[in-house]
Amino acid sequence: GAGVSQSPSNKVTEKGKDVELRCDPISGHTALYWYRQSLGQGLEFLIYFQGNSAPDKSGLPSDRFSAERTGGSVSTLTIQRTQQEDSAVYLCASSYDRGLDQPQHFGDGTRLSIL
Amino acid sequence: SQQGEEDPQALSIQEGENATMNCSYKTSINNLQWYRQNSGRGLVHLILIRSNEREKHSGRLRVTLDTSKKSSSLLITASRAADTASYFCATDENQGGKLIFGQGTELSVKP
Repeated sequence: GAGVSQSPSNKVTEKGKDVELRCDPISGHTALYWYRQSLGQGLEFLIYFQGNSAPDKSGLPSDRFSAERTGGSVSTLTIQRTQQEDSAVYLCASSYDRGLDQPQHFGDGTRLSIL
Repeated sequence: SQQGEEDPQALSIQEGENATMNCSYKTSINNLQWYRQNSGRGLVHLILIRSNEREKHSGRLRVTLDTSKKSSSLLITASRAADTASYFCATDENQGGKLIFGQGTELSVKP
């Protein structure tokens, strides 16, 4: 079946603008994760959803970052008033369920560049 | 925050040779996972080893886990040029919550 789909694949925007990144998880997967990958910081956890609720938001770097998930499926990550340090690849992953040693399945990411 | 370190940061070998990558972590874990990433792509899950397991095999992959030393190793036998990628270890501390990733090993296999 289809894997995790992320859009857009690339986004270039000016500093100060808001951006929305979208993630379509694998159908039937209840857990959804957002990570950020940058040269300086490596792979960092941002937020995790179980269904529509977010039990762990501990990785969101500032209050400019928010995420939601509706219908237990699609998730959007929103960055308000973007800064140059937000430039990174944003990766989404999903797993069948939290626990039970489930692997995470990753999308190809959104490469975000802030000018 | 990063869980630990991977060693080496980069590894270059010839096709047919074995590649060994090491990972250290800092806290108690539920399981440890290895992922592969090709340039410009997402991560692909390779293998998961539970905290009560010491060794696991999958095809040409062999993973070991030493919880007393908080370390793991990934061995790829009989490497192929197509194995060229970055390899990351990741620890699961809370039974399916977030993964904490190492910095990765960049493997180059020359034909």
